[in-house]
Amino acid sequence: GQSLEQPSEVTAVEGAIVQINCTYQTSGFYGLSWYQQHDGGAPTFLSYNALDGLEETGRFSSVLSRSDSYGYLLLQELQMKDSASYFCAVNTGGFKTIFGAGTRLFVKA
Amino acid sequence: DVKVTQSSRYLVKRTGEKVFLECVQDMDHENMFWYRQDPGLGLRLIYFSYDVKMKEKGDIPEGYSVSREKKERFSLILESASTNQTSMYLCASSSPDRAAGYTFGSGTRLTVV
Repeated sequence: GQSLEQPSEVTAVEGAIVQINCTYQTSGFYGLSWYQQHDGGAPTFLSYNALDGLEETGRFSSVLSRSDSYGYLLLQELQMKDSASYFCAVNTGGFKTIFGAGTRLFVKA
Repeated sequence: DVKVTQSSRYLVKRTGEKVFLECVQDMDHENMFWYRQDPGLGLRLIYFSYDVKMKEKGDIPEGYSVSREKKERFSLILESASTNQTSMYLCASSSPDRAAGYTFGSGTRLTVV
C-alpha cells in the first residue's frame, strides 16, 4: 500500500524553530508538497520539492531526500498564527496526490 | 484573488437522499479534485477531472459520482447518502504545473442523519 507518515502533534514555543517530518512509501514519486490548514479553513499550499535539497519561502523551508523517502518542513521564528495543521503530500504520477494525516502544531507563548 | 468556491459551508441531509455538492473555480484550471477529510485520515481523493467531461476515480469513489460539464465547475454527487458519508468535503483545482500546488475551497461539512 501507499502511505505517508508524519507526527500527529508537535508543540513549540513562540520564536523557536520547529521541524515537521514526513516519511513516504508510494508506488510513484514526482514531488513532495506541504500545506497549512487553520481550524475551519481551507488547506493552503506552502511549498513543493521535486528534487533533493532545500526550498525556502520566507520563514518556511522544506527539504527533500528522495533516497531516504523523507522530507521535512522547517518553520523559523515561530508565531502564534503558525498554530495550524500541516500536511505533507506526494504526487504519485499524473494527477494523483496522496496526503498524510496531518501534524497539529501548537505554538505556546 | 483566485478562488475555489464551494456552494455550501454546512449541509444536513437524510439517509437515502441524493446530494449535490458544487464547486466553481475562476482560475481557468484544467484539473479539479474532490477530497474528503476525516480526523486522523487526512485528505482522501474521491474523484478528479483533467478536462471537461473527463473524470477519473480516486482512492474512495464508492457511493459517489461526479460531473464536469463546464471547465470551471465540478460537482460531486452522493447517489444515496449514508451516515458513513458524513465528512468534510474539499474541492481543489490546479494547473498542469505541479510546483504551483492545489488551490482548495473552504469545504462543505456534510452531516447525514
